Amino acid sequence: NAGVTQTPKFRVLKTGQSMTLLCAQDMNHEYMYWYRQDPGMGLRLIHYSVGEGTTAKGEVPDGYNVSRLKKQNFLLGLESAAPSQTSVYFCASSLQGNGYTFGSGTRLTVV
Amino acid sequence: EDQVTQSPEALRLQEGESSSLNCSYTVSGLRGLFWYRQDPGKGPEFLFTLYSAGEEKEKERLKATLTKKESFLHITAPKPEDSATYLCAVQAPSGNTPLVFGKGTRLSVIA
Repeated sequence: NAGVTQTPKFRVLKTGQSMTLLCAQDMNHEYMYWYRQDPGMGLRLIHYSVGEGTTAKGEVPDGYNVSRLKKQNFLLGLESAAPSQTSVYFCASSLQGNGYTFGSGTRLTVV
Repeated sequence: EDQVTQSPEALRLQEGESSSLNCSYTVSGLRGLFWYRQDPGKGPEFLFTLYSAGEEKEKERLKATLTKKESFLHITAPKPEDSATYLCAVQAPSGNTPLVFGKGTRLSVIA
């Protein structure tokens, strides 16, 4: 079992470019989440999903979009990257909304 | 307003020197309190879930306790391999509410 897999692991973007981060889980979990982690700020929720076809905003959703077309995948999109989006992004999943399993993260730098 | 506050921000211990990490929370009607361990460059790894005041959970040298306003993570006779950032998170009463994380305590255990 791979658990939660995030791709890519590292990425450098220029300001204004777009990209999509992919999160895939093989545990048949209903709930999936995208967090960003910045020094001194902890983990902050960007968007989340409580099931296939559903999404909801978290604490810091501006500048990001998400889609959950398949139960096992949760995509995070940046339409026009900004330096403030430089961060480490973590995806997580859970079966019943607790006891999260995290991926290993995507380190994104926007220059 | 912070729902979860962890202290201290950083803690340096000698091997074998026991101590405690604190997590205070302001969520009403707590549904669950979670402890995670995060190693550098990796995603958080689940340690414990506590549901009600007075509950305790143990794993090797770690013991987590819960009161109505805070949780403690006690580390007994720590070893260098216990060095990591320890994260606390809370979940509000609604079943679909995502976890809210504290900023973490960075623990260093020196041999």
